[in-house]
Amino acid sequence: KAGVTQTPRYLIKTRGQQVTLSCSPISGHRSVSWYQQTPGQGLQFLFEYFSETQRNKGNFPGRFSGRQFSNSRSEMNVSTLELGDSALYLCASSFPLTGQNTGELFFGEGSRLTVL
Amino acid sequence: GNSVTQMEGPVTLSEEAFLTINCTYTATGYPSLFWYVQYPGEGLQLLLKATKADDKGSNKGFEATYRKETTSFHLEKGSVQVSDSAVYFCALSDLGYSSASKIIFGSGTRLSIRP
Repeated sequence: KAGVTQTPRYLIKTRGQQVTLSCSPISGHRSVSWYQQTPGQGLQFLFEYFSETQRNKGNFPGRFSGRQFSNSRSEMNVSTLELGDSALYLCASSFPLTGQNTGELFFGEGSRLTVL
Repeated sequence: GNSVTQMEGPVTLSEEAFLTINCTYTATGYPSLFWYVQYPGEGLQLLLKATKADDKGSNKGFEATYRKETTSFHLEKGSVQVSDSAVYFCALSDLGYSSASKIIFGSGTRLSIRP
């Protein structure tokens, strides 16, 4: 079974630009969550999508947004990029359609964003 | 609210040394406890888990026991290898949770093993 796939793996943007990151969850998983990881702040929850609906959002400004499609694939968008947005953005899937939900998150390898 | 506290890193050990990474938690109810590991350049992956008090999770030589009386879930390995160099995250989740936002991660402990 294929794991969580994130694209692109690396990207460089300049301040003021916008970026879109993509995440394909494990087949059959209904939930996709996004995290920002930085050396200073650690792992911070951005938001979670479940069946195309955002059901929780972390403490990030409105420049950060996301969506989930009917096939459970998800995208997150960051507009008007700032230097502080440089980070590893991790996507995780969970909540299998069949079987018991164990609370485990399955992570992708991340998209490393550098803002210059 | 729920929280996880794990020992500050970095931790540097020699190969074949004994490893302990401390993790304590605060939670209402009876959460599940997890250790995730992040190897360089990769995302997090589940290392082991325990779902109730006195359960012992184990994988790849690592062990952790769910201690409700001390609210702890310390990670141990008897003999570490260079390949164990990574960042380790302790986490908890409420089995009754309805959202990944309820999964609480510790700050991570960077482990480096010298040959």
